[in-house]
This record gives sequence, structure tokens and C-alpha cells, in this order.
Amino acid sequence: EDQVTQSPEALRLQEGESSSLNCSYTVSGLRGLFWYRQDPGKGPEFLFTLYSAGEEKEKERLKATLTKKESFLHITAPKPEDSATYLCAVQGWGNAGNMLTFGGGTRLMVKP
Amino acid sequence: SAVISQKPSRDICQRGTSLTIQCQVDSQVTMMFWYRQQPGQSLTLIATANQGSEATYESGFVIDKFPISRPNLTFSTLTVSNMSPEDSSIYLCSVETSDDSYNEQFFGPGTRLTVL
Repeated sequence: EDQVTQSPEALRLQEGESSSLNCSYTVSGLRGLFWYRQDPGKGPEFLFTLYSAGEEKEKERLKATLTKKESFLHITAPKPEDSATYLCAVQGWGNAGNMLTFGGGTRLMVKP
Repeated sequence: SAVISQKPSRDICQRGTSLTIQCQVDSQVTMMFWYRQQPGQSLTLIATANQGSEATYESGFVIDKFPISRPNLTFSTLTVSNMSPEDSSIYLCSVETSDDSYNEQFFGPGTRLTVL
């Protein structure tokens, strides 16, 4: 059974204070590791898919990295508008139907 | 990418009634999914909506409670039947776009359901 654990559950940062969010996973053959941003009352917004260990992807102040056991979402010089819940999910080749297994999310709050 | 719309965006329903949620995608997609997000929780897959055949349900979800239709490659409905307050959640439609080189899943805006 695929499993995803995200830490920390909540993170408070000052504007400009860089940090990282962690996503640890176990999966029966990784097809993809997904990062999403979710604002209150809205659906998850797709950020990245990572496919293999060593891969990195960037979007504005966000950079996602992947190893065989975990992924990090690095946030550089965050702004208040980066405040949201960040979700990590995995998709394994062993799953029928291409389902995603989600972690519990990290709630990020960036104060001005 | 794919643009997904859902109707209704929110509803308040009485116990024992049913609600049908619609999901419309702006392009043809093979894979469509329905997820539930209970208050303060992460997302849980309800079922995969298969075009031309019965949906595939995850453990803990049954067709009688969550009937799903998928009449074509751009549209699906999820019905929440005989509702109870425990069904109060956000219901999300998602689609997968992929080929040999990439795989992305996009979500709709969600339907916020409150059952009294």
C-alpha cells in the first residue's frame, strides 16, 4: 500500500525567510510524485510532477526535488501570497487506475 | 493542462436527500476521478469514472451511495445519495493528462456540500 507523510503539519515563516517542506513516501514503483497548492475553499492547483530520483523542477519561488524516499519543496524568500496548504501525492505503477495517494499536507503561513 | 468546471460550487442539503455534482472538462480526457476532502483532511479517492463502463470504486465507497456516470470523454457526474451529516465534505473532480513523457493531474474547483 502506498503511503505519504508530510512534515511539518504547519509552518510559520516571516516574509523572506526561506524554508523547506518534506514529503516522505513509500510506493510500489514510482510513476510520479505530485505537488499541489491548495487555497482555502478551492481545489488543488497543480505545481509539479517529478518522475525519478535526482530530478528537480522550479516555478517562481518554489523548487521541488526528489530522492528515492522523499521529496522536498523549497520555498525561497517567500511572500504572504505563498500562504496556502501544500499537498504531496504519489502515483505508483502498482496501482490500478492511476490513483493518487495524498499526504496530510503542510499548512504554510507567511507573515509580512 | 486542462480547465475543469464543477456545478454546483456549493450546496446545503437536508438529511436523506441526494445531490448530483457535475464535472465538465474543456478537452477530451481518458482518466477522470472523483475525490472527497473532509473538513481539515487531505484528499481521498472515491472512484475512477470510466467512459462506457461502470466506475471503479475504492475501498469504503460503494456504487449505491456514490453512483457515477461518464457518458463521454469530457463530462462526468457524481451523486451523493441518501445523505447524512457525515457526507459534508468538498467533492473534487480531477483529470489526468499524460503520454509517454509526462503525467499531470488537474483538479476542479470543488463542490462544498453541507448536510443538515
